[in-house]
Amino acid sequence: ILNVEQSPQSLHVQEGDSTNFTCSFPSSNFYALHWYRWETAKSPEALFVMTLNGDEKKKGRISATLNTKEGYSYLYIKGSQPEDSATYLCAFRSGNTPLVFGKGTRLSVIA
Amino acid sequence: DTEVTQTPKHLVMGMTNKKSLKCEQHMGHRAMYWYKQKAKKPPELMFVYSYEKLSINESVPSRFSPECPNSSLLNLHLHALQPEDSALYLCASSQGTGGSTDTQYFGPGTRLTVL
Repeated sequence: ILNVEQSPQSLHVQEGDSTNFTCSFPSSNFYALHWYRWETAKSPEALFVMTLNGDEKKKGRISATLNTKEGYSYLYIKGSQPEDSATYLCAFRSGNTPLVFGKGTRLSVIA
Repeated sequence: DTEVTQTPKHLVMGMTNKKSLKCEQHMGHRAMYWYKQKAKKPPELMFVYSYEKLSINESVPSRFSPECPNSSLLNLHLHALQPEDSALYLCASSQGTGGSTDTQYFGPGTRLTVL
């Protein structure tokens, strides 16, 4: 059974703070790592798909890095805004198998 | 149109009822998925349809019956559910290439309560 861990489970930051959280996954037989942003009562929104060790992706103030050898990915948010409040999910694929999701990190940005 | 729609948004049903959840996409995607998500848990894959054929069934009880009438529609028929089946049911679709960048696009989910 593949295990995808996300930490922290939740965090609260002040508006303007930068923050980051972690997704850990098995380092063997890596295929792809996906990040999703999920606001309450909305659809999970695809942020990034990462496939190569050392990948860095950026979308506005949000960026992500990938280390497949040690089995982790970081998601960074620069200058957090209240609209960044959401649950951030990572999902891992091994070989050609379906996505396995982590439990998510719930971010609350306080104005 | 990059939207996956799901109906209904909320559903309350008794254990003897029969109901259906519906999912629709018009992105030309050839793979569609059902996930179940309980509070504070990750989404768990239930079924995958690829080119309108059931390709993955993650040992889901037969009281859940999926159907893919065409490439744009995905249904989940519910019968004789148990209270522990109460959850958020998410539908997703993807191009279905199976490649590493084959991204799934999700609907907002149906919140199901079984009494």
